[in-house]
Amino acid sequence: AQSVTQLGSHVSVSEGALVLLRCNYSSSVPPYLFWYVQYPNQGLQLLLKYTSAATLVKGINGFEAEFKKSETSFHLTKPSAHMSDAAEYFCAVSDSGGGTSYGKLTFGQGTILTVHP
Amino acid sequence: NAGVTQTPKFRVLKTGQSMTLLCAQDMNHEYMYWYRQDPGMGLRLIHYSVGEGTTAKGEVPDGYNVSRLKKQNFLLGLESAAPSQTSVYFCASSQGGRAEAFFGQGTRLTVV
Repeated sequence: AQSVTQLGSHVSVSEGALVLLRCNYSSSVPPYLFWYVQYPNQGLQLLLKYTSAATLVKGINGFEAEFKKSETSFHLTKPSAHMSDAAEYFCAVSDSGGGTSYGKLTFGQGTILTVHP
Repeated sequence: NAGVTQTPKFRVLKTGQSMTLLCAQDMNHEYMYWYRQDPGMGLRLIHYSVGEGTTAKGEVPDGYNVSRLKKQNFLLGLESAAPSQTSVYFCASSQGGRAEAFFGQGTRLTVV
C-alpha cells in the first residue's frame, strides 16, 4: 500500500522568503511522485513530477523538488516566494512504478501556503 | 482545448435524492478517475476506469456508482445521497503510466 504524508497543514512565509513544503511517501515499488497546486475554487494543476530520471526535478513557476530515496522524501522548494504562490499544494504518489500502471494517485493531506507582503 | 469538463459545478441535494455528475475529456485519454476532496484529507479515489466499458473501485467507493459507456465520458452516480457525501468532487483523466493526470474544475456538492 502507498501513502503520503505532508508535514504541516499550513505554512506561512514572507514575500521573497524561501518556500519549503515537506512530503514523505511510503511505497512498496519504485515511486512516481507528483506535486500539484490548487488555487481557490479551481482544479489541480501539475507543478512537477519525478519518474525515476533526475532526482532534482524542476517545475513551473520556479518550483523544484528533490527525490531522496534514503529519506523517502520529495520536498518542494522555491527560493523566493511571490504573492501569487498562495494556494494549496498536494504531494501524490502513483501506482505506476511496479509494472502495470493505472495512474491512480494517493494524495497527501495538502499544505496551504500563505504569503505575507 | 477544453481538457476535462465537469457538470454541474454546484449542487445541493436533500438526503435520499439521487444525482449524476458528468465528466467529459477531449484528450483521448484511456484512464479516467473520480476523486473526492475533503478538508484535511487530500483527495481520495472513488472509482476509476481503464478504458471504455470498464470500471473499478477505488479507496472510497461505497454509496457511488460509475459508468463509462463512451471513452470521453465518465459518469458518477449517487443513488441515495447522504450528508457524509457532502464534498468537492474532481474528475481526472490521464494516459496512465508515468503521465500526469489532468483535473476538471470540480463539483461542489452539499447534501442537507
